[in-house]
Amino acid sequence: GNSVTQMEGPVTLSEEAFLTINCTYTATGYPSLFWYVQYPGEGLQLLLKATKADDKGSNKGFEATYRKETTSFHLEKGSVQVSDSAVYFCALGKDSSYKLIFGSGTRLLVRP
Amino acid sequence: EAGVTQFPSHSVIEKGQTVTLRCDPISGHDNLYWYRRVMGKEIKFLLHFVKESKQDESGMPNNRFLAERTGGTYSTLKVQPAELEDSGVYFCASSKPLGLAGGGTGELFFGEGSRLTVL
Repeated sequence: GNSVTQMEGPVTLSEEAFLTINCTYTATGYPSLFWYVQYPGEGLQLLLKATKADDKGSNKGFEATYRKETTSFHLEKGSVQVSDSAVYFCALGKDSSYKLIFGSGTRLLVRP
Repeated sequence: EAGVTQFPSHSVIEKGQTVTLRCDPISGHDNLYWYRRVMGKEIKFLLHFVKESKQDESGMPNNRFLAERTGGTYSTLKVQPAELEDSGVYFCASSKPLGLAGGGTGELFFGEGSRLTVL
C-alpha cells in the first residue's frame, strides 16, 4: 500500500545551519507530495508541494524536489532560523488530495 | 478570515466516558475532514464530509466513533465509550470545492487539533 517514511527526530541544529529532513514514499502511479509544518500552538500548515516528477516545491526558504527515481521528497533549507522550530510532516496524496498519507513527523529544534 | 477552529484544545477523560470534539471550518468550505495522530505516530485520515454528507468514512476505526455535520457547517466527532488507545491529537481540516466554480485548489487548511487523553 501507499506509505511515507521520514527521518525520526528530534533534529537539533544551530541557527544558520543547513537542514535536510529525509522523506521517502511508496505509492503506485503518480502521487502529489507535500510538506506540512506545525509550529507550536498552531495548526498544520502547507509548507510546499510538488505534483509531478522533477517538480521543485519551495516556500520560506525551504525546498523539496520530487524524485521519482529514488521515490524521495527531502526537505532542505540552507540556513535555518530559531523561528523554524516546529514539527514537519511529509505527506502524499493519491487520486484526490484530501486523503493524505502522512509520515510520522520530524521535530526540528533550532538553537540560537 | 478566521481559520479552522477546534474545541476543546485538550480533553482529559477516563476510560469508558464520552467526549465530543467540535470543528468549525473556514466559512464557505464545503469539504471538512477529520484526521488523528495517535501516540506521536503518523497522522491518519478518518473521514470526509461534503456539506452535511459523509463522502468517505473509510478511516473511522470502529463504531465507537460518530461524526456529524448537521446543516453542513460545524462538525462534531464523538467517542463513546472512550478507550485508552483513542488518546491522541484529532485534527480537523477544511477546503473549498475543487474546480472553477468552487475556487478550490485542493489545499487543506488544518486546525490546531484537539488533544484527547484517556486515562
